[in-house]
Amino acid sequence: GQQLNQSPQSMFIQEGEDVSMNCTSSSIFNTWLWYKQDPGEGPVLLIALYKAGELTSNGRLTAQFGITRKDSFLNISASIPSDVGIYFCAGVVITQGGSEKLVFGKGTKLTVNP
Amino acid sequence: DVKVTQSSRYLVKRTGEKVFLECVQDMDHENMFWYRQDPGLGLRLIYFSYDVKMKEKGDIPEGYSVSREKKERFSLILESASTNQTSMYLCASSSLLAGDRDEQFFGPGTRLTVL
Repeated sequence: GQQLNQSPQSMFIQEGEDVSMNCTSSSIFNTWLWYKQDPGEGPVLLIALYKAGELTSNGRLTAQFGITRKDSFLNISASIPSDVGIYFCAGVVITQGGSEKLVFGKGTKLTVNP
Repeated sequence: DVKVTQSSRYLVKRTGEKVFLECVQDMDHENMFWYRQDPGLGLRLIYFSYDVKMKEKGDIPEGYSVSREKKERFSLILESASTNQTSMYLCASSSLLAGDRDEQFFGPGTRLTVL
């Protein structure tokens, strides 16, 4: 099946630093999503990307949909302690039955030291 | 505020027990999903449902079944729990409306331990 390779697996940074993480795949996706999971909670959608080359921002977060439609990155600028959590990329897949499902990367665990 | 609730945050069961994990959403969403989350493996889809009484296998359905008798409720069933089913289970829902269909709303998760 389709798989997403997300890196890095974990990051330890100082407050104020910028962060970059990315996802790649051997398959083409028409939609890329980035989710964040706070400790003890379910994931929450941060950014959705629908067009190849699209660059979208949400506050200090910026995500891009790669031109080849096989990759995406997420940047966080000027990190703060509440950025701690696990970040997941996800791609939308159409099943044989015509339904939509998400395929998730394995996640990037971010730790921010004050 | 939109909400997906799961019946338990923590559950401890014994090997061979039948286990029910319940999920309820109040957003009138058509689609509902069950995932399991394990360290280093991310989220893996077990089953999903796009309508009442309809279900479709995800990527790891073995050892699980589901039930969707009402639109707002989606149950995950472990017929005979095994220790390798110890995991965090996450329920999610999404709408079929164009423009909304890709965003899945997640519940807080149920951490299941099978002894």
